[in-house]
Amino acid sequence: DAKTTQPTSMDCAEGRAANLPCNHSTISGNEYVYWYRQIHSQGPQYIIHGLKNNETNEMASLIITEDRKSSTLILPHATLRDTAVYYCIVRVGGATNKLIFGTGTLLAVQP
Amino acid sequence: NAGVMQNPRHLVRRRGQEARLRCSPMKGHSHVYWYRQLPEEGLKFMVYLQKENIIDESGMPKERFSAEFPKEGPSILRIQQVVRGDSAAYFCASSPRDRPYEQYFGPGTRLTVT
Repeated sequence: DAKTTQPTSMDCAEGRAANLPCNHSTISGNEYVYWYRQIHSQGPQYIIHGLKNNETNEMASLIITEDRKSSTLILPHATLRDTAVYYCIVRVGGATNKLIFGTGTLLAVQP
Repeated sequence: NAGVMQNPRHLVRRRGQEARLRCSPMKGHSHVYWYRQLPEEGLKFMVYLQKENIIDESGMPKERFSAEFPKEGPSILRIQQVVRGDSAAYFCASSPRDRPYEQYFGPGTRLTVT
């Protein structure tokens, strides 16, 4: 699986957009980018995924660069409940389905 | 549609006892995964099962740990002769067959070995 690099931590003001970057410079053409988050002591939560097109759902937007070497997860209006560790995971479709979680980014939304 | 159910939420066992953790996947999901999170550490994959089959157990410790997902009933993660190092949060996830990387996690079982 391609390795990912994320900042250890980030702060964001409540109500502002939170932009969480992820580098995956060794990504292959058939590898998807997945984002999960884990709010303290809870089970991880699936957020969004994409291959090469930008994606949006009710939770977030995912922007993938044209060369696919990096991506950004955008929470358009962060709330205090968005404080969590965010994981960027790169997976190959069709292989064993295990998720490999790195250390992620601790996003702290400030009031 | 109820989410992934895990029970018990908290489990205390003495060293040497057995621990049984149960997981009921979301309705319509045929794939179940178990992950472990040791204190102050990240999530680690343990095992991936489909009904009556273990697909990938590459993350399972070689001894004392076993998992099953029978045709009827919940998936079970069984830890025999628990030791203090087994104290952790154990999360179960499930996914639909056609979207295996969209995994939906349960609230976890926190195992404490005294």
